[in-house]
Amino acid sequence: EVQLLESGGALVQPGGSLRLSCAASGFTFSNYAMSWVRQAPGKGLDWVSAIRAIGGDTYFADSVKGRFTISRDNSKNTLYLQMNGLRVEDTAVYYCAKGGYSGFDSHFDYWGRGTLVTVSS
Amino acid sequence: QSVLTQSPSASGTPGQRVTISCSGSRSNIGTNTVNWYQQLPGTAPKLLIYTINQRPSGVPDRFSGSKSGTSASLVISGLQSEDEADYYCAAWDDSLTYVIFGGGTKVTVL
Repeated sequence: EVQLLESGGALVQPGGSLRLSCAASGFTFSNYAMSWVRQAPGKGLDWVSAIRAIGGDTYFADSVKGRFTISRDNSKNTLYLQMNGLRVEDTAVYYCAKGGYSGFDSHFDYWGRGTLVTVSS
Repeated sequence: QSVLTQSPSASGTPGQRVTISCSGSRSNIGTNTVNWYQQLPGTAPKLLIYTINQRPSGVPDRFSGSKSGTSASLVISGLQSEDEADYYCAAWDDSLTYVIFGGGTKVTVL
């Protein structure tokens, strides 16, 4: 059974940093692209970042480019999101999502339950 | 404002057919595949339709998807009370070079 378990969400002040983790199990982690998708309170889904399975190419939404970095440790089956320069508008539930095949597009076949990041003074 | 445009809401009585549209452009829906997600209240999103019209295992066949030009549609044939949820379309955008989601459509079962 595929499981994705996010952690690391917290209350942080504007300008602060946070690192989210996503522990994966139930599939060959190294074979799939992984993404972070967020959802602000009462709002829709907002794709944040992705990292390919092979080559480690990374992608970012314009809203987080230059502030967030994504990485993965295939030996630990874990995905990370390092968030720096946090803004109030980054407040959201952050979901980890598994790519649906070996490539990468908007196909996410499994999602975690999410971790809440609150940016406030 | 989302690059992919969805109507904010849709509704129907049990058994009715409901259509949710997702309007984009050549750089996203016009060129790339579309995926649909269902988000029940208080839960994480779930893949509902992938690659325009494919259903993952376990998704009822009353859900179907299609694409024409720069628009895509999700149809719920035979609406049921458990279908009350938010529905999102998603696609890769070649110009933005990232994934975009529609703003979501809230489906209410009357």
